[in-house]
Amino acid sequence: EIVLTQSPATLSLSPGERATLSCGASQSVSSSYLAWYQQKPGLAPRLLIYDASSRATGIPDRFSGSGSGTDFTLTISRLEPEDFAVYYCQQYGSSPTFGGGTKVEIK
Amino acid sequence: EVQLVESGGGLVQPGGSLRLSCAASGFTFSSYAMHWVRQAPGKGLEYVSAISSNGGSTYYANSVKGRFTISRDNSKNTLYLQMGSLRAEDMAVYYCARGELRAPFDPWGQGTLVTVSS
Repeated sequence: EIVLTQSPATLSLSPGERATLSCGASQSVSSSYLAWYQQKPGLAPRLLIYDASSRATGIPDRFSGSGSGTDFTLTISRLEPEDFAVYYCQQYGSSPTFGGGTKVEIK
Repeated sequence: EVQLVESGGGLVQPGGSLRLSCAASGFTFSSYAMHWVRQAPGKGLEYVSAISSNGGSTYYANSVKGRFTISRDNSKNTLYLQMGSLRAEDMAVYYCARGELRAPFDPWGQGTLVTVSS
């Protein structure tokens, strides 16, 4: 099983700032089968990024993903008020697993 | 519009059973693998189970293997999760999600809460 470790656990930032979230894998994620999801309180997760760097339909271009192998990054270029949420990475190259999440909170 | 709607959650005693359903609409249900993911209160996402498009292949996390059974009825566009021998640690919101082999999960249902307590 591939273990995903997200850091930091919490990111305290102000609207307009840049957010950089990391996701590390215990072994290489094949073909960059890595996704990022956003989850707001009381709601289901929403797909943001798939295949490490492709934005899902309707996702604003301030969200971008990068990385390969064992190190992946989600960047939010300028935080909007609606971006404060919890973000999860997921690998789906083998039996799917999720990271523990990063909470982006208002500073 | 692609939509997944879960139902069947509720309060159950330890050792009890419950069946969750996930009704799909807006897409060709029989063409897609489907998944169950759960989230304990205040915790992260845990992958639970998967089933192939024709129901011929299934997968279970070790934490539920032997206690949970995933199934589907393509004629009714519905996914199921039969849960047995429920434990306190099974208490969570259960989400169904669409996702093919080596594909992300999209979309997700709104979730249904399972509470295990005496």
